[in-house]
Amino acid sequence: DAKTTQPNSMESNEEEPVHLPCNHSTISGTDYIHWYRQLPSQGPEYVIHGLTSNVNNRMASLAIAEDRKSSTLILHRATLRDAAVYYCILANSNSGYALNFGKGTSLLVTP
Amino acid sequence: GAVVSQHPSWVICKSGTSVKIECRSLDFQATTMFWYRQFPKQSLMLMATSNEGSKATYEQGVEKDKFLINHASLTLSTLTVTSAHPEDSSFYICSARDPSGGLTGELFFGEGSRLTVL
Repeated sequence: DAKTTQPNSMESNEEEPVHLPCNHSTISGTDYIHWYRQLPSQGPEYVIHGLTSNVNNRMASLAIAEDRKSSTLILHRATLRDAAVYYCILANSNSGYALNFGKGTSLLVTP
Repeated sequence: GAVVSQHPSWVICKSGTSVKIECRSLDFQATTMFWYRQFPKQSLMLMATSNEGSKATYEQGVEKDKFLINHASLTLSTLTVTSAHPEDSSFYICSARDPSGGLTGELFFGEGSRLTVL
């Protein structure tokens, strides 16, 4: 399975944009890029996913590099409730689109 | 939106006993559910894929005789930790995908079940 690499932690000020990077240099053409986040003692929560084109939803934006070897999750205005561990995950049909979580990025949001 | 619910949220048991955790999809029928385990300060580890009406598919290193999975209906999967020991203490999380979103759609996760084995 293709792996992803994320920084262990990042910090942001409240109400500022946050750009969370993810490297996936061995991504295959059929891998979807998923982002989930997890608050302490809770199950993960879906954020966004995409294949080739950039994606926007009410929570965030996903910017995918043209060569698809990296992507960036963008939180447009961080709030204290956005403090969580963010996971960038690749999924394809070979695994039944199961999600294998890496270590993720722990985002700290300060007032 | 779609919801996946787990029960119990937490359980404490004695070593050697068995514990059953239920995972229900409340708003949709799920032919496939996924079970994860998460130790403190670690990431989620996929344990097995639960398939409705057939045997579960276990990840490498996960003992199928210890972690029994039953997916008897399209809305319920159960994980039974048999003869639990302290090292089985962990946060167990299930997830399911709403078929209407397609195979590549989002996974909905339960709230998690924290197991403590004394």
